[in-house]
Parts: sequence; structure tokens; C-alpha cells
Amino acid sequence: DIQMTQSPSSLSASVGDRVTITCRASQSISNFLNWYHQKPGKAPNLLIYVASSLQSGVPSRFSGSGSGTDFTLTISSLQPEDFGTYYCQQSYISPRTFGQGTKVEIK
Amino acid sequence: QVQLVQSGAEVKKPGASVKVSCKASGYTFTDYYVHWVRQAPGQGLEWMGWINPDSGDTDYVQKFQGRVTMTRDTSLTTAYMELSSLRSDDTAVYYCARDLLRGGDFDQWGQGTLVTVSS
Repeated sequence: DIQMTQSPSSLSASVGDRVTITCRASQSISNFLNWYHQKPGKAPNLLIYVASSLQSGVPSRFSGSGSGTDFTLTISSLQPEDFGTYYCQQSYISPRTFGQGTKVEIK
Repeated sequence: QVQLVQSGAEVKKPGASVKVSCKASGYTFTDYYVHWVRQAPGQGLEWMGWINPDSGDTDYVQKFQGRVTMTRDTSLTTAYMELSSLRSDDTAVYYCARDLLRGGDFDQWGQGTLVTVSS
């Protein structure tokens, strides 16, 4: 199985800060990497698909990059509603593994 | 609008089975795969498998082989996930999610169904 490792596991940042979360795959997954945001008690919400495509309706402050094994999710200017946990997921091959999550807190 | 609406919370005893439903609306049900993902309390997301609503073909993660069965009823535009031989560590929120088959991402999710396994 492909292992997905996110870093950091948690972070605390202020409104307006630029935030970067990384995701590393244990083998190449081309660009089959997706990012989700989950708020407590809610279902995950798709942000970015195939590494860098912004899902419809998602604010443009979210962006994704990378290919192969190393990927990045960037929030250009953190907003209060961006708190929660972010997950990467590979869709290159079954099983469709997720990263362990990055918890984002607002200072 | 596109919606996936899941059945309500369940409480089951160890060794029992549970069947969770996922009613799709707002799109052609047979055009896109439905995946199942679970989340234990305070834990991350765990992919369980998918079903092709058109053909009924399935793919399950090895961990659940023999215990999970994914089915669908196209007349009801509903997908089902049945998990048998329940254990306490199966206590989790179970989600269904739609795969648009453009890159394997899940663009729509159900609201989740809490399954509690307790004696």
C-alpha cells in the first residue's frame, strides 16, 4: 500500500498568514493527489484535485502543487473559517490511502 | 442539487451486522462510482472501497475483505455498505462519497452515519 505522510501534524497561525502543508507519498503517484478540509462533526470537503486543480466553489486562496511523491497545499491568507483538519489522499492506486491529517488552529 | 443522504445512526452488538444506505439525487446515479470511507472517533479517514453503480463491480480494501459488502439498487438510486462480524473497533462514522472519475477525487460526501458497536 502507498503510505501518505503529512507535515506538520498540527499548526497554529494567525488570520492573514500564509500556511503551507506538505504531503509525501511512499512511491510516485504522478499527480493523483487530492486535498480535503474537514471541520469537526462534518463531512470532508474537496479543495484540490489532481494536485493543482481548484474544486468549483473553493476560494482562490487555496492552491496545490507537486507531482511524483511531494505535494503542497497552500492557503495564501488564512481566514477564520479555515480552521479544522486537512487531509491529502492518493487516487493513483487502490487502496486510496489518506494522510494522517494536519490540524489547523487559528491563533 | 447533488446530494448524498445517508441512513441514521445505528447501535449494534459485537458480532452483529450493519447496513448503511446512501441515497443519491441530483445526478445520474449510474454515471459515477460511490466510495465508502470511515472515521473512528478522533481519528483520520480510512478508505474502505468502491462500487460501480452501473455494473455493480466492487473493490474492497484488503483489511475488510470477507466482512464488507457494497451493493446498490439503481431503481432507488441508493448504494449500501454492509459490514458484518462487528467489533468494538468498528465504531466509527461511515461516509459515502461520489467519484466523478476525473482523477479519483471525491467531490460530494454524505453527511455520515455513526455506527456504535457496544455490548
